[in-house]
Amino acid sequence: AQSVTQPDIHITVSEGASLELRCNYSYGATPYLFWYVQSPGQGLQLLLKYFSGDTLVQGIKGFEAEFKRSQSSFNLRKPSVHWSDAAEYFCAVGAGTSYDKVIFGPGTSLSVIP
Amino acid sequence: NAGVTQTPKFQVLKTGQSMTLQCAQDMNHNSMYWYRQDPGMGLRLIYYSASEGTTDKGEVPNGYNVSRLNKREFSLRLESAAPSQTSVYFCASSATGKSGYTFGSGTRLTVV
Repeated sequence: AQSVTQPDIHITVSEGASLELRCNYSYGATPYLFWYVQSPGQGLQLLLKYFSGDTLVQGIKGFEAEFKRSQSSFNLRKPSVHWSDAAEYFCAVGAGTSYDKVIFGPGTSLSVIP
Repeated sequence: NAGVTQTPKFQVLKTGQSMTLQCAQDMNHNSMYWYRQDPGMGLRLIYYSASEGTTDKGEVPNGYNVSRLNKREFSLRLESAAPSQTSVYFCASSATGKSGYTFGSGTRLTVV
């Protein structure tokens, strides 16, 4: 069965520092991978997605993610974090016969110290 | 640009009461989904509708029913609410599985 793990429940970084959020997936076929962000009290917003091609994908808000098939990972990165990046981040993998279902990881909560 | 609209935003129910959560999207998306979000568990799929006229169970369908009323609307019904159904419920839609989801702002449901 498909699954997504995010090893870090909570991360705290200083404003201006770099950020890497980890994501590992389990899926038999070629995965479709996503990162979403959820600000407090809000719904989720798509940050970026990977289907094929270049393994380094760019997203909104200055985020990027790298797909590594050998490690079954899709880690999210940002070179310099802003206080407004404090939120919950979810990694997800497309599943189902037509990838029309998405399985979400448990999320990583990011706090930013001014 | 409304996107995905959920109503109500907040609801308190007594155990055994019933209610319907409404969801509508104005993006002409084929697929719609209902998820529940609980602390430390991420989002879990309750039901989804890959296209108008079809619905399928997700990971946690027990205690829920859904109706895909038309292409725009996808409702979630709790027939007899239980405290275990206290959660935040999100509706989402997508054009295709590859396109990613657009989420509503959620319904916070408390069952006492």
